[in-house]
Amino acid sequence: NAGVTQTPKFQVLKTGQSMTLQCAQDMNHNSMYWYRQDPGMGLRLIYYSASEGTTDKGEVPNGYNVSRLNKREFSLRLESAAPSQTSVYFCASSEQGPPTLGDTQYFGPGTRLTVL
Amino acid sequence: RKEVEQDPGPFNVPEGATVAFNCTYSNSASQSFFWYRQDCRKEPKLLMSVYSSGNEDGRFTAQLNRASQYISLLIRDSKLSDSATYLCVVILYNTDKLIFGTGTRLQVFP
Repeated sequence: NAGVTQTPKFQVLKTGQSMTLQCAQDMNHNSMYWYRQDPGMGLRLIYYSASEGTTDKGEVPNGYNVSRLNKREFSLRLESAAPSQTSVYFCASSEQGPPTLGDTQYFGPGTRLTVL
Repeated sequence: RKEVEQDPGPFNVPEGATVAFNCTYSNSASQSFFWYRQDCRKEPKLLMSVYSSGNEDGRFTAQLNRASQYISLLIRDSKLSDSATYLCVVILYNTDKLIFGTGTRLQVFP
């Protein structure tokens, strides 16, 4: 079991470029999440998907789009990257969701993104 | 005021010491509470849930004080491998999101 995998691990973009962060889980979990982690801010939820075919905005969705491609995969797209999107991005999954059920969230290893 | 506040530390303690962290939350509608651990440049991992009556897992004890709106994590007999950042997580009643604290860094030295 690989758990939650993310690609790429590192990425440097120029302002205005686009890219997609990929996330996959092999635990047959229903819910998947995208967070960003910035110094002094804690992890903040960008988008989540409570089940295949559904997505909802989190706390900081502006500048991002997501796709729940199937039960395993949940991608995060930056259409026009900005320096304010420099961050570490974590994907997570949980068996049930939504988070109010208190399910353990399993995190991927993260993607370190720098936007110049 | 932040919804979840933690002392960033670092807490520098010798091996074998007992150390405690607190985490305060501002919303009385907070329903569920957790401690996650995050090693340097790694992903967060669930350490333990926090139950109303308090709970223990080996050297780790978690407690909840709803009246004063804080949770605590006590680590006994600290090991070098306990060095990490400890994240406090709160879930508000009837919402769909986890609220993370910024974390408390612990450094255990020989």
